[in-house]
Amino acid sequence: SQQGEEDPQALSIQEGENATMNCSYKTSINNLQWYRQNSGRGLVHLILIRSNEREKHSGRLRVTLDTSKKSSSLLITASRAADTASYFCATDEGQAGTALIFGKGTTLSVSS
Amino acid sequence: SAVISQKPSRDICQRGTSLTIQCQVDSQVTMMFWYRQQPGQSLTLIATANQGSEATYESGFVIDKFPISRPNLTFSTLTVSNMSPEDSSIYLCSVLTHNRATNYGYTFGSGTRLTVV
Repeated sequence: SQQGEEDPQALSIQEGENATMNCSYKTSINNLQWYRQNSGRGLVHLILIRSNEREKHSGRLRVTLDTSKKSSSLLITASRAADTASYFCATDEGQAGTALIFGKGTTLSVSS
Repeated sequence: SAVISQKPSRDICQRGTSLTIQCQVDSQVTMMFWYRQQPGQSLTLIATANQGSEATYESGFVIDKFPISRPNLTFSTLTVSNMSPEDSSIYLCSVLTHNRATNYGYTFGSGTRLTVV
């Protein structure tokens, strides 16, 4: 099963610009996580936001969560070429400690 | 967090054959998960593997095609049986761990890129 829908599916920007990716999900959640994947390899955990949080920051990353709309956004500020990757949101569908269910992902391309 | 060693990292296999993918974890974990990522797609959960019990498969995945073993708390295998080109994907294992920040977290293997010819 697939939980979230990412928007946009693909995003191309210039270095220094901000990149915003959106994710929607269908069920209740305990938390929502964002992951990065470079060139179809392993996943790198970026940030986790709990269901009772509305915004969270980590370095150049800013995540928001709107549980009433069942949506989240990931903002990467001052993008770099090294940020080129696929980004996925994932949730636990409200059951702590179960498998993560992933959204479809956004492919980000940052050109210098 | 846990460290996972996933093998092989990639393989090219003939149709009709089987491939067994291994995940070794450096600590004991209760829950392990197997995912498939088809080309250009997101991760889809294949099954959840708990030690001492049969794996629980998601809709669209069956044990005959994707048998899973979980002999202990640090190791699991996923076999892709009777392969066809449609099985060409990246297969990833994941484990549920615990950390202070979230009480639980997830670690992923580096993936096995399978090409079936």
